[in-house]
Amino acid sequence: GAGVSQSPRYKVAKRGQDVALRCDPISGHVSLFWYQQALGQGPEFLTYFQNEAQLDKSGLPSDRFFAERPEGSVSTLKIQRTQQEDSAVYLCASSLGLQGNTEAFFGQGTRLTVV
Amino acid sequence: RKEVEQDPGPFNVPEGATVAFNCTYSNSASQSFFWYRQDCRKEPKLLMSVYSSGNEDGRFTAQLNRASQYISLLIRDSKLSDSATYLCVVNTGSARQLTFGSGTQLTVLP
Repeated sequence: GAGVSQSPRYKVAKRGQDVALRCDPISGHVSLFWYQQALGQGPEFLTYFQNEAQLDKSGLPSDRFFAERPEGSVSTLKIQRTQQEDSAVYLCASSLGLQGNTEAFFGQGTRLTVV
Repeated sequence: RKEVEQDPGPFNVPEGATVAFNCTYSNSASQSFFWYRQDCRKEPKLLMSVYSSGNEDGRFTAQLNRASQYISLLIRDSKLSDSATYLCVVNTGSARQLTFGSGTQLTVLP
């Protein structure tokens, strides 16, 4: 498909388990963003990549969160030693332009539940 | 204080009504402004960009007031299919990433 693809769609993790969330952006899109969305809230910024460079990771809530985009395309968000407060929908978005100046296209998200 | 603040809602309006959403942002250096729509358990999708001169797309009108750091969205002749959460979005921060408000929930009633 031509859209942003995220996998898995749903993930249930036991507290303390490590998880990895994958994002396939739209081909050719330079910018890639990760967001965390809690129920009833707007998406909260986690981190931003311009090609393979992680230019901003100020939104990552703790050092248990790590993101990479090694070849400037697919990105992975990893959460180590998951906690219950990590339960949320994790959204990935990509855009053709730099930063937040152009339309961002979102994937359907990964719904993470930590039990 | 949040960088982008919206009316919390929810708004419940009858079909055909006109409804307006407001939003304020705190970073005067913000350059791009958008309204996104998010249906229940779906991803956000761009509804429209917001330009300084104001812009209209069918039943939807967006306005920007840079001096007051205020954005609005007007929906005329509401349809049942307009029921969704409307997210005010501003590019801000060191990476000029998109920063979202908490969203305003709209339900259009038959």
